[in-house]
Amino acid sequence: KAGVTQTPRYLIKTRGQQVTLSCSPISGHRSVSWYQQTPGQGLQFLFEYFSETQRNKGNFPGRFSGRQFSNSRSEMNVSTLELGDSALYLCASSREGAGTYGYTFGSGTRLTVV
Amino acid sequence: GDSVTQMEGPVTLSEEAFLTINCTYTATGYPSLFWYVQYPGEGLQLLLKATKADDKGSNKGFEATYRKETTSFHLEKGSVQVSDSAVYFCALPPNAGGTSYGKLTFGQGTILTVHP
Repeated sequence: KAGVTQTPRYLIKTRGQQVTLSCSPISGHRSVSWYQQTPGQGLQFLFEYFSETQRNKGNFPGRFSGRQFSNSRSEMNVSTLELGDSALYLCASSREGAGTYGYTFGSGTRLTVV
Repeated sequence: GDSVTQMEGPVTLSEEAFLTINCTYTATGYPSLFWYVQYPGEGLQLLLKATKADDKGSNKGFEATYRKETTSFHLEKGSVQVSDSAVYFCALPPNAGGTSYGKLTFGQGTILTVHP
C-alpha cells in the first residue's frame, strides 16, 4: 500500500513570504500529525488533525497553521517566514492518533528560508 | 509528563561490532514503545515496536525488549553494517485515553556511524 506522501520535497523561500506544505496519509488513516525537525531542537510537535478537526497543538506561534480535508489530506501553512523556520517538516499518519497504533512518516519537506 | 531519554551520541563503530543504544522512559501506565530510524535525507521509519511489558520487538537484526521494571527499551544489534549508519530515535506514542493526540514523545536521537 502507498506510504505517506509529502510535497514538495524541497522548497526555498525568502523571508516574509508564506509557504504551504502538503501531506497525503496512508489510505484509511484519519490522523495526521506535523513535526518540525532542526539540528538544535530535534523533533518538535506542531499539531494533529483528525477528521478535519485540530485536536492537539504544540507550542508554535500563530504563523504556523494547518488544516485537514475530508479525504484526510492535510496542509500546513507558515506565514511571514523567518530564517529560523528553515527545517525539515515531517508529517505522520495514524489510524487513530492515539495509543498503540503505528505512526508512519513521510519523507519530509526540506524548507530553506533565505 | 511523558519523557524519553536516550544515551548520548554520536556512536561510531566498526562493521560487525555489537551495538547498544540505551533508552529509558517516564510515562503513565505501560505504553507501547517504538524505535524509529532516519537515514540521511529521509523521514523517519518505524524500525520496531513493543506493545506490552516483556515484549521483544525485532526487525532487520535489531532487537529491543520492553522492561517495565527498569522502564527501558534498549536497542541492540549483534553485528552492525555500514548501511546501518543513521539516526535512531526511541519514542512513546500518545497515552491511550489521554489528550496528546498525534504527539509522539521522542528521545533526542543517537547518531550511529559504522565504518568498514
